[in-house]
Amino acid sequence: QSALTQPASVSGSPGQSITISCTGTNNDIGSSNHVSWYQQHPDKAPKLLIYDVNKRPSGISTRFSGSKSGNAASLTISGLQAEDEADYFCCSYAGSVLFGGGTKLTVL
Amino acid sequence: QVQLVQSGAEVKKPGASVKVSCKASGYTFIAYYMHWVRQAPGQGLEWMGWINPNSGGTDYTQKFQGRVTMTRDTSTSTAYMELTRLRSDDTAVYYCASGPISGGLDYWGQGTLVTVSS
Repeated sequence: QSALTQPASVSGSPGQSITISCTGTNNDIGSSNHVSWYQQHPDKAPKLLIYDVNKRPSGISTRFSGSKSGNAASLTISGLQAEDEADYFCCSYAGSVLFGGGTKLTVL
Repeated sequence: QVQLVQSGAEVKKPGASVKVSCKASGYTFIAYYMHWVRQAPGQGLEWMGWINPNSGGTDYTQKFQGRVTMTRDTSTSTAYMELTRLRSDDTAVYYCASGPISGGLDYWGQGTLVTVSS
């Protein structure tokens, strides 16, 4: 299975909103309601931001939201803050777990 | 609080094996699957498989089948991941992470760096 496709990088200014896309196929995102998103700062373990497409774990800011349409999922971060600068990974489960290649978010 | 504490960094020669441990605390160990995910230097996350700590059942991604074995010891709430026939491209940080079978991995270990070098 190939990794899910994410843009290598995105950027935004503080206070802006950005969206990170994650494209899969009928065999993964397209057939799953189990899409999750992770944030990873340098030399740290990943942190769960979104699970089951649009659910936030306890303690995760409402600035993070997820959605899905067809074979693609998206993570939107609103009110961008300097601390949001990190790598972001999408993940789907459709019988097997598959990660995206990751997107580096730069806060200008 | 929930903690997953992994064993320390390892340096191995090509062809050798490595066994990484992950000790869980702060929750019922058998209630959640334990996944193993690795990350090569400067690269993305790669899912290796999971173990059901309750039954001991496992599911490995095809890439690692025949080389990886995931086990657990319920008496110590510890999960293990053994990778054999190591190659240089197995150099990576290996993470354990707990969660449901479907991902949504909400607790992660600190990672274990495995370096494969002659």
